[in-house]
Amino acid sequence: DSGVTQTPKHLITATGQRVTLRCSPRSGDLSVYWYQQSLDQGLQFLIQYYNGEERAKGNILERFSAQQFPDLHSELNLSSLELGDSALYFCASSVEPGYNEQFFGPGTRLTVL
Amino acid sequence: EDQVTQSPEALRLQEGESSSLNCSYTVSGLRGLFWYRQDPGKGPEFLFTLYSAGEEKEKERLKATLTKKESFLHITAPKPEDSATYLCAVQANSGAGSYQLTFGKGTKLSVIP
Repeated sequence: DSGVTQTPKHLITATGQRVTLRCSPRSGDLSVYWYQQSLDQGLQFLIQYYNGEERAKGNILERFSAQQFPDLHSELNLSSLELGDSALYFCASSVEPGYNEQFFGPGTRLTVL
Repeated sequence: EDQVTQSPEALRLQEGESSSLNCSYTVSGLRGLFWYRQDPGKGPEFLFTLYSAGEEKEKERLKATLTKKESFLHITAPKPEDSATYLCAVQANSGAGSYQLTFGKGTKLSVIP
């Protein structure tokens, strides 16, 4: 158990819908990262937050957005869902600054029908 | 653009048959190279961080090494419980406190009793 929690574990929804994925980092970690894992693309970085502020963006679609709240938990919002958005979404956290290891949560499996 | 290539894609070993997994990388200033283990449907589990060429780290039957262009994960006398996908990732000195990881697609290891 990495200490990172994610909810829900599974999410099944229809095209065009909007969902919210939630992540709580390890106690003491200030930085949160979101990754998407699909069979053909592998693990892809989406976005990073540090202490409530956006720090870096990867190949995140405009339909996707995220935020980190004062209690450091983070939410990833996915809207206008398409079949291709079906994937595993992972959250990771790390201590900042100076610590590089990222610890991953168990993931949310999103299925878009 | 940072790139990570892992080989082989899949590896089947008999229990006790030692082998190595390869991770070749291209990065503009390496901050760290990471190895993770991932079981099906689970989040990646952190194994090692390597920071500079020549560095080695060990954990049980696993040993990770780093050169300027690649890293190896050596598995000595593997057991069936070592079966998993092993992921390699690099972190670049991109500045501005961005610590995103760029992952390879992984090597799926199967250890046969």
